[in-house]
Amino acid sequence: AQSVTQLDSHVSVSEGTPVLLRCNYSSSYSPSLFWYVQHPNKGLQLLLKYTSAATLVKGINGFEAEFKKSETSFHLTKPSAHMSDAAEYFCVVSGGTGFQKLVFGTGTRLLVSP
Amino acid sequence: DAGVIQSPRHEVTEMGQEVTLRCKPISGHDYLFWYRQTMMRGLELLIYFNNNVPIDDSGMPEDRFSAKMPNASFSTLKIQPSEPRDSAVYFCASSLAQGAERNYGYTFGSGTRLTVV
Repeated sequence: AQSVTQLDSHVSVSEGTPVLLRCNYSSSYSPSLFWYVQHPNKGLQLLLKYTSAATLVKGINGFEAEFKKSETSFHLTKPSAHMSDAAEYFCVVSGGTGFQKLVFGTGTRLLVSP
Repeated sequence: DAGVIQSPRHEVTEMGQEVTLRCKPISGHDYLFWYRQTMMRGLELLIYFNNNVPIDDSGMPEDRFSAKMPNASFSTLKIQPSEPRDSAVYFCASSLAQGAERNYGYTFGSGTRLTVV
């Protein structure tokens, strides 16, 4: 079975400072990992994905994440936060033979202050 | 491509009424998913289809909920009768699985915000 744990329900940063959203996963298989973002009253948008290629994955809007198998982590980072980054972020895992459905974390709300 | 299209965007209905939510997946995608999102329970997978066939409906909360996919370009989620606790945002998503390869992620619609009073 697959699962993800998002270690922080809320993260607050100031505009221009780095962002770190933490995610640990559990998977019996070599996993695929994703980060989705949801802005208020909007749908979920794919930020980036890891599917067994390069361990450092670059996504949209300056976000990136690094797959660390030894730590079973897939933390999301951005060097400099922007006000428009304020949203809910979901870490997601999928793994197994053939097609496997995605398993979502509980989400981390990112707050960005001026 | 217009993406995954859901309708209506908002629905307000009285308890006991039938509610039908609609979804048009991205053309060529062979998987379709229905999710429900609430503050209390987060994002829950209700049911998903592969090539129009329901694969896993274990997340459907009770018999009042039903979902159909009569063709590759259309799916419905129906609640009959509706109850206030069904109030939530319902998302549809679609995905293309390339044979036996791993999942490359879903594309979500904008959701339907359902309020049952």
